[in-house]
Amino acid sequence: GQQLNQSPQSMFIQEGEDVSMNCTSSSIFNTWLWYKQDPGEGPVLLIALYKAGELTSNGRLTAQFGITRKDSFLNISASIPSDVGIYFCAGPWGSNYKLTFGKGTLLTVNP
Amino acid sequence: DTGVSQDPRHKITKRGQNVTFRCDPISEHNRLYWYRQTLGQGPEFLTYFQNEAQLEKSRLLSDRFSAERPKGSFSTLEIQRTEQGDSAMYLCASSLPTGAGLFEQYFGPGTRLTVT
Repeated sequence: GQQLNQSPQSMFIQEGEDVSMNCTSSSIFNTWLWYKQDPGEGPVLLIALYKAGELTSNGRLTAQFGITRKDSFLNISASIPSDVGIYFCAGPWGSNYKLTFGKGTLLTVNP
Repeated sequence: DTGVSQDPRHKITKRGQNVTFRCDPISEHNRLYWYRQTLGQGPEFLTYFQNEAQLEKSRLLSDRFSAERPKGSFSTLEIQRTEQGDSAMYLCASSLPTGAGLFEQYFGPGTRLTVT
């Protein structure tokens, strides 16, 4: 199957700082999705990207679809304690659009 | 709340027992997926339904696993003769049948299975 590589694996930041994380693939994706998962819960869809070069925002979150279609980036501005969690990138593939996920970036925000 | 729901949220069972999980997707979503997530990993695809038809199964889905979606609404995932390696979070997701929403899967809260 497809593999997505996320970096960094974890981040420790101070409240108010900006955060950047990325996701790369050896294969081309036509859609990129970013999810956030809190402990013991299911992933929550944050942003969906459909076009190479596209930049999409959702509040303090901004995601970009890389022009090569093999990568995507997620930025969080002015982090707050509730931003803590694991952020996953995912891409649909195959005829039934099942999702393949990266291993996630664990974000910790120190108040 | 009209999101995806799963029941139970937690299940502890002894090795060798059978367990069944239920997923209720968002009502207008006819596409339903099951995933499994272990610690430190992202969710991994198990199986896919379009309406009541099971159209794809992963190699991860051994013959001890069976899934159904009898009326094209809720789905069940059954694991027979559970093994310790089955301990994981089982996630259900659903999406719209057409349009951009086709790719946007919405997840339920998951069922955490612990096999002792």
